[in-house]
Amino acid sequence: EAGVTQFPSHSVIEKGQTVTLRCDPISGHDNLYWYRRVMGKEIKFLLHFVKESKQDESGMPNNRFLAERTGGTYSTLKVQPAELEDSGVYFCASSLVGGANVLTFGAGSRLTVL
Amino acid sequence: TQLLEQSPQFLSIQEGENLTVYCNSSSVFSSLQWYRQEPGEGPVLLVTVVTGGEVKKLKRLTFQFGDARKDSSLHITAAQPGDTGLYLCAGVRGGATNKLIFGTGTLLAVQP
Repeated sequence: EAGVTQFPSHSVIEKGQTVTLRCDPISGHDNLYWYRRVMGKEIKFLLHFVKESKQDESGMPNNRFLAERTGGTYSTLKVQPAELEDSGVYFCASSLVGGANVLTFGAGSRLTVL
Repeated sequence: TQLLEQSPQFLSIQEGENLTVYCNSSSVFSSLQWYRQEPGEGPVLLVTVVTGGEVKKLKRLTFQFGDARKDSSLHITAAQPGDTGLYLCAGVRGGATNKLIFGTGTLLAVQP
């Protein structure tokens, strides 16, 4: 069974540019989560999809962040325009059962904003 | 802001030694999970504890959930170099999302 796949593994952009991160969850997992770790801080929740619907987006930092999951399969997280403080590692996770039952995390996408 | 403080932050020990990592909060959690993360990888779930006072064992790893469900500990017996990694606790508050609240992390290095 393929795990959670994230792309790109590392992205370096300049302040003001746009970046789109992609997550392919485990096939059949309706629940998809985005988390991120910024430098020196703990991993924090961003949002949770159930299929294509946003169940909880309370962790999204501001309106420069847009997450989508069209068709309920893969998800994208777009940052536009990127700021320096957006640098960090963005993790995607998926689960079969709702809630924090058993989450499988991807390897993360490291974002560096210069 | 709910905060899960882990201690110690860093730990470097010799192979064969025992160690305990603590995860403390002032908040009550419906359950608590422990993860291990290696460089370039995402966190990997080790265990979930649900009941106050619960103890779970995973080979040389023993996990305990506090009676009040506010804290937890991870004890490793006879540590091996393969145990090296970042250990993370994560609390679950419950509700519709059951989002994870991650701890500050403990970086463990086991020297051969």
